[in-house]
Amino acid sequence: NAGVTQTPKFQVLKTGQSMTLQCAQDMNHEYMSWYRQDPGMGLRLIHYSVGAGITDQGEVPNGYNVSRSTTEDFPLRLLSAAPSQTSVYFCASSPQGGLSYNEQFFGPGTRLTVL
Amino acid sequence: LAKTTQPISMDSYEGQEVNITCSHNNIATNDYITWYQQFPSQGPRFIIQGYKTKVTNEVASLFIPADRKSSTLSLPRVSLSDTAVYYCLVVSNTGKLIFGQGTTLQVKP
Repeated sequence: NAGVTQTPKFQVLKTGQSMTLQCAQDMNHEYMSWYRQDPGMGLRLIHYSVGAGITDQGEVPNGYNVSRSTTEDFPLRLLSAAPSQTSVYFCASSPQGGLSYNEQFFGPGTRLTVL
Repeated sequence: LAKTTQPISMDSYEGQEVNITCSHNNIATNDYITWYQQFPSQGPRFIIQGYKTKVTNEVASLFIPADRKSSTLSLPRVSLSDTAVYYCLVVSNTGKLIFGQGTTLQVKP
């Protein structure tokens, strides 16, 4: 199993550009989520999904969209990039239900810089 | 969701036992205590989870007193490779993890 994979590893955008960060998992996990981590800080939840076709907002959803058309994939879209979105983005997944929610598997991250 | 407080940083030497204490005074009845580890340039990794008393796995032990207002992560005989940031989280089985700043552990030779 590859676990949770994220592409690209690094990305530089100009203000106003849009892009999609890709996340995929091959563990048949129902739950997937996106976090951002700013320098020296903990992770903050952007959006999450409890299964295909279902998404919901986390702590910091503004400026981001998600969709979940399959169990495996959970892309994060930046609609119009801003310098405040410069961060490291982590995707995570876990089996659905109870204590399993608390043991999440994280991808390697995408380091995004917005100029 | 309960807020946690833990030391910003700790230093240790190889071979020592390291104890990182976390306070969570407002923990709710249904909440669990979960610890994650994060190495530089990597995503966090789940270490251990518990509700009360003591939990032990191959990596660490977690001690939770009866009032559950604090918890202690114990790492036995640390090595240089244990240098990382350790996050204490109080979680309610919803999938929404709230990370604080964590404790940066520096293990010295």
